Amino acid sequence: EDKVVQSPLSLVVHEGDTVTLNCSYEVTNFRSLLWYKQEKKAPTFLFMLTSSGIEKKSGRLSSILDKKELSSILNITATQTGDSAIYLCALGGGSQGNLIFGKGTKLSVKP
Amino acid sequence: KAGVTQTPRYLIKTRGQQVTLSCSPISGHRSVSWYQQTPGQGLQFLFEYFSETQRNKGNFPGRFSGRQFSNSRSEMNVSTLELGDSALYLCASSLASAYQETQYFGPGTRLLVL
Repeated sequence: EDKVVQSPLSLVVHEGDTVTLNCSYEVTNFRSLLWYKQEKKAPTFLFMLTSSGIEKKSGRLSSILDKKELSSILNITATQTGDSAIYLCALGGGSQGNLIFGKGTKLSVKP
Repeated sequence: KAGVTQTPRYLIKTRGQQVTLSCSPISGHRSVSWYQQTPGQGLQFLFEYFSETQRNKGNFPGRFSGRQFSNSRSEMNVSTLELGDSALYLCASSLASAYQETQYFGPGTRLLVL
């Protein structure tokens, strides 16, 4: 059965801290791994990863995929209160041919 | 470019009723996917439509159905509503492929079944 597991489920840090969010997966027919940020309603796209070992960066956020370990990490450096959100990992492919989402990691950044 | 829009934003229904939700994708996007989000189960894939045809379907009962029109707008219907159908229903669009390209999400429709 295709599945995506994110850890930790929730995390509380202080501004300026660096955090690492994890996503591990078991999926048939892997096509892509995506990270989304969900603050209130609609998830917003962060990264799409398809090749192992290539880091994607956007400002203070970065992500890398390890196909051998069937996992990905999302790093956020110098966290700000505006980073508080649920971070979702999704796998593209699988038996249903669409995105399979993990339950998310709820990040709270305290001032 | 206008984003994905969903109507209505909020809906209250009673058990046994049926409901229709609407989604207008980003202009030029032909793939529309629907998801159900609940606190316990997270985001779960319902179905995907492309060029008016259902391309993929998740593990939901037949009470959940959808369609797509020639202008790529999509509707989702839930018949014989149950309390467990209370959820945020999200629609997402992409150019052609739900997992090979970025999906853009709408704001969602919050459905409450009493």
